[in-house]
Amino acid sequence: NAGVTQTPKFQVLKTGQSMTLQCAQDMNHEYMSWYRQDPGMGLRLIHYSVGAGITDQGEVPNGYNVSRSTTEDFPLRLLSAAPSQTSVYFCASSYSGTGAGELFFGEGSRLTVL
Amino acid sequence: SQQGEEDPQALSIQEGENATMNCSYKTSINNLQWYRQNSGRGLVHLILIRSNEREKHSGRLRVTLDTSKKSSSLLITASRAADTASYFCATDAGGTSYGKLTFGQGTILTVHP
Repeated sequence: NAGVTQTPKFQVLKTGQSMTLQCAQDMNHEYMSWYRQDPGMGLRLIHYSVGAGITDQGEVPNGYNVSRSTTEDFPLRLLSAAPSQTSVYFCASSYSGTGAGELFFGEGSRLTVL
Repeated sequence: SQQGEEDPQALSIQEGENATMNCSYKTSINNLQWYRQNSGRGLVHLILIRSNEREKHSGRLRVTLDTSKKSSSLLITASRAADTASYFCATDAGGTSYGKLTFGQGTILTVHP
């Protein structure tokens, strides 16, 4: 199984540009989430979803949109990129509907905003 | 805000020694998890301990949980160079934090051959 697949692995944007980070999982997990990882800050939750059609905000949702039209996919959209969004982004999924069980992570998407 | 805080921030040991990392948290939890992250990679789940458990083992890993002190420790016995990684604790507070697993800042472990 592929597990959790994130694309692209690397991306450079200019301030004000928009883009979508893709996340797909093939484990039929109901729960999916997006985190950002910054030096000295650990991982911070951006948005999460407990099932198709259901999304909610995490700790740092501003500047990001998500949607969940299928169980497999959970894209993260940057509406108007800012240098503060330079980070490593991780998508994760869980068999637990509450997201409180073991998380399976993708390999990350490294974003630089100039 | 961070729920879990790891201590120490960095730990350097020799192969064969034991490594102990600590995690403190602020609110009551349903469970606490430990994850490992190799440089440039995603996080990998190591172990989950529930709030009604005090100790759990998995291979060379031993995790303890003290809910009265709101703290947990991860012990890696007989460490190997391949254990070099960052280690994170993550807490599930349940209740209004439903679906929101919160990570600490991590401990960077370096094991010298």
